[in-house]
Amino acid sequence: DGGITQSPKYLFRKEGQNVTLSCEQNLNHDAMYWYRQDPGQGLRLIYYSQIVNDFQKGDIAEGYSVSREKKESFPLTVTSAQKNPTAFYLCASLNSGGNNEQFFGPGTRLTVL
Amino acid sequence: AQSVTQLGSHVSVSEGALVLLRCNYSSSVPPYLFWYVQYPNQGLQLLLKYTSAATLVKGINGFEAEFKKSETSFHLTKPSAHMSDAAEYFCAVIPNQGGKLIFGQGTELSVKP
Repeated sequence: DGGITQSPKYLFRKEGQNVTLSCEQNLNHDAMYWYRQDPGQGLRLIYYSQIVNDFQKGDIAEGYSVSREKKESFPLTVTSAQKNPTAFYLCASLNSGGNNEQFFGPGTRLTVL
Repeated sequence: AQSVTQLGSHVSVSEGALVLLRCNYSSSVPPYLFWYVQYPNQGLQLLLKYTSAATLVKGINGFEAEFKKSETSFHLTKPSAHMSDAAEYFCAVIPNQGGKLIFGQGTELSVKP
């Protein structure tokens, strides 16, 4: 079945550590996105990539980094510079030639201890 | 700036009652509009989308939404609520082709027996 996978589902990190969240899609979609979700704030865009080896900052990129070495993979690193990293992180992908519908992964809940 | 406003962060209805979740957007051109549903600790699932074909859009699980340009609204309705409809609902807009997806704050729907 085609879809988006995110791992792990739950992640715990000590303050001051970097951590990488995985996102993989087998939908052959060109574009991929990372969102952060906090209670009462909807989804906010962190980074996005429209093509391999290229990515752009979203609205809240500070303290995060990404790479897009392969079409199917778009990992997100939460660095120690991110002041308040505890949140639910969602990855999405989109077929650029389609109808603008983004498909979402199941999410990773990151908790900083 | 383009924005999406969902009126009411929490809506509670009785089982069998009408569901009405409100969404207003600001856009200078006809946008792409979406409603997504999110169950606890899961990703987002597309309910329905408006892409300038019909103004009344039917989605999954008995939901529908009507695009009203004069009111810049895209309210979500369902004639009869079911317990399984309890979830968080997000309205989202892409203001123009190739633009980024902008989310509303979300509305949590509770269904009382």
